[in-house]
Amino acid sequence: QKEVEQNSGPLSVPEGAIASLNCTYSDRGSQSFFWYRQYSGKSPELIMFIYSNGDKEDGRFTAQLNKASQYVSLLIRDSQPSDSATYLCAVSRRNSGYSTLTFGKGTMLLVSP
Amino acid sequence: KAGVTQTPRYLIKTRGQQVTLSCSPISGHRSVSWYQQTPGQGLQFLFEYFSETQRNKGNFPGRFSGRQFSNSRSEMNVSTLELGDSALYLCASSLAGGLSNTEAFFGQGTRLTVV
Repeated sequence: QKEVEQNSGPLSVPEGAIASLNCTYSDRGSQSFFWYRQYSGKSPELIMFIYSNGDKEDGRFTAQLNKASQYVSLLIRDSQPSDSATYLCAVSRRNSGYSTLTFGKGTMLLVSP
Repeated sequence: KAGVTQTPRYLIKTRGQQVTLSCSPISGHRSVSWYQQTPGQGLQFLFEYFSETQRNKGNFPGRFSGRQFSNSRSEMNVSTLELGDSALYLCASSLAGGLSNTEAFFGQGTRLTVV
């Protein structure tokens, strides 16, 4: 069973702090890694993707990937109350020409003013 | 450019009935995947269609089925509804779906309640 594990939270941080969200995965063949944000009652929204080991920055967001440790994280700098949402980690692996996203159950982030 | 469109947004059905949900992907996207989301289980993969063919299937009973049309629109059908089928059903479209570097974009979902 290929699994993606996330701490369910909630992770509470004050406004302006750095929020660190973590994800581990079991399938060593995973090739692509995604972070989705889901507000309550809404659908997931893609915010970051990363394919190579190291860091990838996009505005206040930084995704970090360590394939040897099977670990991917998302850092949110200068957290805002509007960042309060559930963050879903997803991984995919190509099999026979197609790939399927496997999602973690998500970490709830609460940013207090 | 228009996003992924799912209809209807909300449905209430009775146990034993069947239901059909619809998903129109982003223009040019050929892959449509369906997911079930519940508070306890999170997002679970149902199946993926590409060029009218089911390419991959999750671990759901045969009561869950789908199809894709030549215009890439997809429908999902659930027969003999059970209370446990109450969930948010999400579809996601991607350009090709078969490439590991292809991102998936979600529709707003259909909230199904079985009573």
